[in-house]
Amino acid sequence: GAVVSQHPSRVICKSGTSVKIECRSLDFQATTMFWYRQFPKQSLMLMATSNEGSKATYEQGVEKDKFLINHASLTLSTLTVTSAHPEDSSFYICSAYLLAGGSYEQYFGPGTRLTVT
Amino acid sequence: RKEVEQDPGPFNVPEGATVAFNCTYSNSASQSFFWYRQDCRKEPKLLMSVYSSGNEDGRFTAQLNRASQYISLLIRDSKLSDSATYLCVVTEGRRALTFGSGTRLQVQP
Repeated sequence: GAVVSQHPSRVICKSGTSVKIECRSLDFQATTMFWYRQFPKQSLMLMATSNEGSKATYEQGVEKDKFLINHASLTLSTLTVTSAHPEDSSFYICSAYLLAGGSYEQYFGPGTRLTVT
Repeated sequence: RKEVEQDPGPFNVPEGATVAFNCTYSNSASQSFFWYRQDCRKEPKLLMSVYSSGNEDGRFTAQLNRASQYISLLIRDSKLSDSATYLCVVTEGRRALTFGSGTRLQVQP
């Protein structure tokens, strides 16, 4: 089946530093990828929609200058958390759509656990 | 009001039991419905899609009631490996998914 990878799977960084998370579709092209965030004991919340070759669309309450998204190719989207703070510690998951059997199926990456100290 | 509401549980059931989860959604424009399973500290994995006609996959049965905006999941003959959080998910066509907060299931020996 379709596979989406994320790197790194886990990162610990100091407050004030920036962290880049990569999301790759391994065997298909994805013009659209989604970035979600999940805090402990909470649901996944959509942060932004990443569009290949154009600007990302951010959900209300998500700072676009803090969470930089770049979707430079059909298989790669990156999320950079700039000037990370402890409250940014979370589980970040990306996903991509694939048209399969006449319907769209969404495939998730394994997630990146970010801890900001 | 949350877009997708679920009872958080936990549901503690013995092996072999039948357990049912319910979910309601507020967006009447929702077109696609799913149940995902999420294990602790892992990404969610698609369990099954949900159709108006209802669908069954082995021990799992999903039902959708569009008029009531209600989705259900029934698990028969629970196994220890079924222990996880079950997420009710809706979407409008080819868009991002909207997740419920999940219902936690713990199957006990």
